[in-house]
Order: sequence, then C-alpha cells, then structure tokens
Amino acid sequence: TQLLEQSPQFLSIQEGENLTVYCNSSSVFSSLQWYRQEPGEGPVLLVTVVTGGEVKKLKRLTFQFGDARKDSSLHITAAQPGDTGLYLCAGATSGTYKYIFGTGTRLKVLA
Amino acid sequence: ETGVTQTPRHLVMGMTNKKSLKCEQHLGHNAMYWYKQSAKKPLELMFVYNFKEQTENNSVPSRFSPECPNSSHLFLHLHTLQPEDSALYLCASSHPLQRNTEAFFGQGTRLTVV
Repeated sequence: TQLLEQSPQFLSIQEGENLTVYCNSSSVFSSLQWYRQEPGEGPVLLVTVVTGGEVKKLKRLTFQFGDARKDSSLHITAAQPGDTGLYLCAGATSGTYKYIFGTGTRLKVLA
Repeated sequence: ETGVTQTPRHLVMGMTNKKSLKCEQHLGHNAMYWYKQSAKKPLELMFVYNFKEQTENNSVPSRFSPECPNSSHLFLHLHTLQPEDSALYLCASSHPLQRNTEAFFGQGTRLTVV
C-alpha cells in the first residue's frame, strides 16, 4: 500500500517566519502535486512536479521533488495569514491518473 | 470556483435514510472521482469513473453506491449509513488521458450520520 507521510502534522507560526513542509514515501512517483485546502472548500492545486530534483517557485512558495522521486518539500518564505490552510501532497505512479494523498499539514499563520 | 459543483453542501441523515450526493462538472473532463475526507485521516479515494465506466472501487462498503450517467455528472447514493461514515465527501474531475493531469475538486458535502 502506497503511503505518503507529511510532516509536521500541525504548524502554528507568526507572520513573517519561514517554514518547510515535508512529504515522504517509500514509493516512486511519476509526478507529485501539492494542494491547499481552506476551511469549507475542496483542495486547490498549487503545483505539479515531475522530474527528480525539480524545483518550482510560486511567489513565496518553493517546491522541490526529490532526486529519487519519492519525496517532496514545500518551503514558504515570510508566511502570511493568507497562507493558513491544509497543505496536501498527492502522488501518482507511472501509467495511472489516480493520485494518492498524503496525511496533510495544517498550517496556521498568526498576524 | 473550480467548475465542479457539489450538492448539497451539508447533509444530516439518520441511519435508516436513503439520500444521494450530486456532483456536476462542465469542464470537459472524462474522469470523475469520489473522495472521503475524515478528521485525522488522509483523503481516501473511494471510486473512479473514466468515460462513465467505473475503474476503481477501493473496497468501499456497499452502503455507498456510485452512479455516473454521463461524463458530466456523478452521484453517490447512500443508504443505511453508520455514524463513522460522517465525513466530508469530495468530488473531483480531471482529464484522464493527460499526463500529470490536475484534479479539480468541488467544495464537498459535509455529511453527518445520526
């Protein structure tokens, strides 16, 4: 059974701080996605990474896919209250369009 | 607004009731999904439909019965549910034939079984 473990599970920080969220698995994925889910809403895609070692930036968010395509990280610089939400990673194995979701990291940024 | 609409947004039902959840998308997607999101558990994939055919059933109890009459609509029929079935049920759609396709999620139906 594929499993994506995210850490930390919960994170509460002050506005302006930096943070990193990790997504780890023993399985190899052909692609990995990061979603953010706000209360009362469904998850919304932030980024897709497909190449081992790939780094993508989305404003203050930096996403990295591990060289072996088994893990990923999300780094947020100068966090803002608007970054508050549940961050989910999701991996797909080669040849499928089915994404397995991680355990989630709930982030709260205090003003 | 992602283009995927779920109704109702909230549902409270007794264990002997029968109800249905509805999902609709007009994004031109041919794959549709039902996920269950419970507190403290990962998002669980329940069912996958690809071009109206069910391609995945993740050992979901038969008290959950999906229906996909066309590529734009997906239903989840519920009957004789248990309190532990209370959760947020999310529908998603995607282009199944596109590599690294993005899943577009609805806002979910918050289900409470009493």
